[in-house]
Amino acid sequence: DTAVSQTPKYLVTQMGNDKSIKCEQNLGHDTMYWYKQDSKKFLKIMFSYNNKELIINETVPNRFSPKSPDKAHLNLHINSLELGDSAVYFCASSQTSGGAEDTQYFGPGTRLTVL
Amino acid sequence: AQSVTQLGSHVSVSEGALVLLRCNYSSSVPPYLFWYVQYPNQGLQLLLKYTSAATLVKGINGFEAEFKKSETSFHLTKPSAHMSDAAEYFCAVTKFGNEKLTFGTGTRLTIIP
Repeated sequence: DTAVSQTPKYLVTQMGNDKSIKCEQNLGHDTMYWYKQDSKKFLKIMFSYNNKELIINETVPNRFSPKSPDKAHLNLHINSLELGDSAVYFCASSQTSGGAEDTQYFGPGTRLTVL
Repeated sequence: AQSVTQLGSHVSVSEGALVLLRCNYSSSVPPYLFWYVQYPNQGLQLLLKYTSAATLVKGINGFEAEFKKSETSFHLTKPSAHMSDAAEYFCAVTKFGNEKLTFGTGTRLTIIP
């Protein structure tokens, strides 16, 4: 009964391809996030959605496009993959976006390898 | 801008010894501070958080952290290390009204049998 789930867990692809990572949360939360963790374990936020509305968009290439069909889902689509996109991508969710103290619950991560 | 600095990318302690993982923050407004743990090949799990209530915060698995404004620190401690504590630990900061978490670079904790 996973709270925040991501698919796939591993993704290996060639440069130039387009790929998507899916995220679903069953916690009833309003806010969802995407984080990128690089090879040195550094975690950085990419996007945040509150009830399907984009509220955080960090300096991320236009090749990355989040899509939220409903508040329980936040998918990440990546166009024209590059070697530097190789990383672990984490989805997270929290109850609200205004309460900074709300706990963010993380998914298990998707390890993307671009060859 | 807010930031956190974790001193020591790798910390090794013997089983049963005190665990001390250091985190210093920088923030122009009162911060909210978090410690997360990441076990191998898993996502992040919240250990504890400080949100301007008690300065000594108790978390899961016997961990606690103390917010010290004068030292701008939020160090994580556990009196007696267990083998299962081996993991990567991340300190993070945010502020009221800002849902964006800014993470430190992490500290890998190794437990020596």
